[in-house]
Amino acid sequence: ETGVTQTPRHLVMGMTNKKSLKCEQHLGHNAMYWYKQSAKKPLELMFVYNFKEQTENNSVPSRFSPECPNSSHLFLHLHTLQPEDSALYLCASSFGTASSGANVLTFGAGSRLTVL
Amino acid sequence: AQSVTQLDSQVPVFEEAPVELRCNYSSSVSVYLFWYVQYPNQGLQLLLKYLSGSTLVKGINGFEAEFNKSQTSFHLRKPSVHISDTAEYFCAVSRYGGSQGNLIFGKGTKLSVKP
Repeated sequence: ETGVTQTPRHLVMGMTNKKSLKCEQHLGHNAMYWYKQSAKKPLELMFVYNFKEQTENNSVPSRFSPECPNSSHLFLHLHTLQPEDSALYLCASSFGTASSGANVLTFGAGSRLTVL
Repeated sequence: AQSVTQLDSQVPVFEEAPVELRCNYSSSVSVYLFWYVQYPNQGLQLLLKYLSGSTLVKGINGFEAEFNKSQTSFHLRKPSVHISDTAEYFCAVSRYGGSQGNLIFGKGTKLSVKP
């Protein structure tokens, strides 16, 4: 248990569905992140939030919509996804804000998404 | 922009043998360097990091890495591996003075420890 909890752990959805991934951190961290992990590709940073304010969006398609209601919770809303969006989605947090590249990231176990 | 290359996608070794997982990076400025480990069905966790100071960095579970600026490398080593070390290992680099968005991960090396 890392202190970063992701639900659901597995999700199967059709291309027309709308679903959400949830992340909660119990560490008192100040920044939260969404990463995408696809087979044989490096981890891709999707979104960054500092103190619940979005600071980065790495050219992510609009079918992915993040939400950060407070410093402890992060959501990723999914709609009209494509099969190539199937991947492991990892949430991470850090005590330091995302303005520093020296942060240590604490990851959740991930949500395995399959788009049919 | 910086980049990171993990030279081996898979490394099979026998239990109690030494192992080295290679990582090379490129950057025009000073960098921070990290090794993360991902056990099956889990997220990544930090093994060790180099921010500054001593070039030999010790991490958890008996792992260590050496920062070599002239060779732009940060290889991970363990003198004697256990079955429980079977996992995927990721090297990551970020630019000194840059934001978290500059953190770049390698593609990973799968370490398979056989009895």
